[in-house]
Amino acid sequence: QVQLQESGPGLVKPSQTLSLTCTVSGGSISSGGYYWSWIRQHPGKGLEWIGYIYYSGSTYYNPSLKSRVTISVDTSKNQFSLKLSSVTAADTAVYYCARGPFYYGSRMLNWFDPWGQGTLVTVSS
Amino acid sequence: DIQMTQSPSSLSASVGDRVTITCQASQDISNYLNWYQQKPGKAPKLLIYDASNLETGVPSRFSGSGSGTDFTFTISSLQPEDIATYYCQQYDNLPPGFGPGTKVDIK
Repeated sequence: QVQLQESGPGLVKPSQTLSLTCTVSGGSISSGGYYWSWIRQHPGKGLEWIGYIYYSGSTYYNPSLKSRVTISVDTSKNQFSLKLSSVTAADTAVYYCARGPFYYGSRMLNWFDPWGQGTLVTVSS
Repeated sequence: DIQMTQSPSSLSASVGDRVTITCQASQDISNYLNWYQQKPGKAPKLLIYDASNLETGVPSRFSGSGSGTDFTFTISSLQPEDIATYYCQQYDNLPPGFGPGTKVDIK
């Protein structure tokens, strides 16, 4: 079955760019049908959807983060990546990658399954 | 953005008890509502999609109902392995948004 694994630095300095990669196994990103999302969870808090990408490169970002977020895809490596610029302590969170949403006919079904295990990114000098 | 609320924020119940969590949307979201379970230190897991459809492999003691703005998630007989935080998620509008979660403990 499809599995996802996040990777990247666990510590980022304020004002720098957070960069994470999600590697997908057990299925091909470029087979289509699914979008691929990033979601974060502040320590002890709820979940915040960051954005998603399709294998073609089409993206949609949460308006609350849009000015700082870039999501990209590398189909040759079966990976997609997140960049979040100008980070502050408020960006300290566990970052998850997940599969979803997907299209069923003309309808977008927007749920997330499966998820990666998550990676904690701390923003601190 | 559509705002999601959940109640209670936490609850304690005994093994075998029926547990009910409610989720309310700030506007009509039809049945575009999903439920996730997150165990401590783990990623969320999809349990129910489209308000009432059980994801494959999820035990039948979990169920969901509702439409419009008011939704209910039920565990018919609480088991020790159900200790977790449960989140609702709407997808009627982008961006998809999650409720604040309900933490379930064993009494």
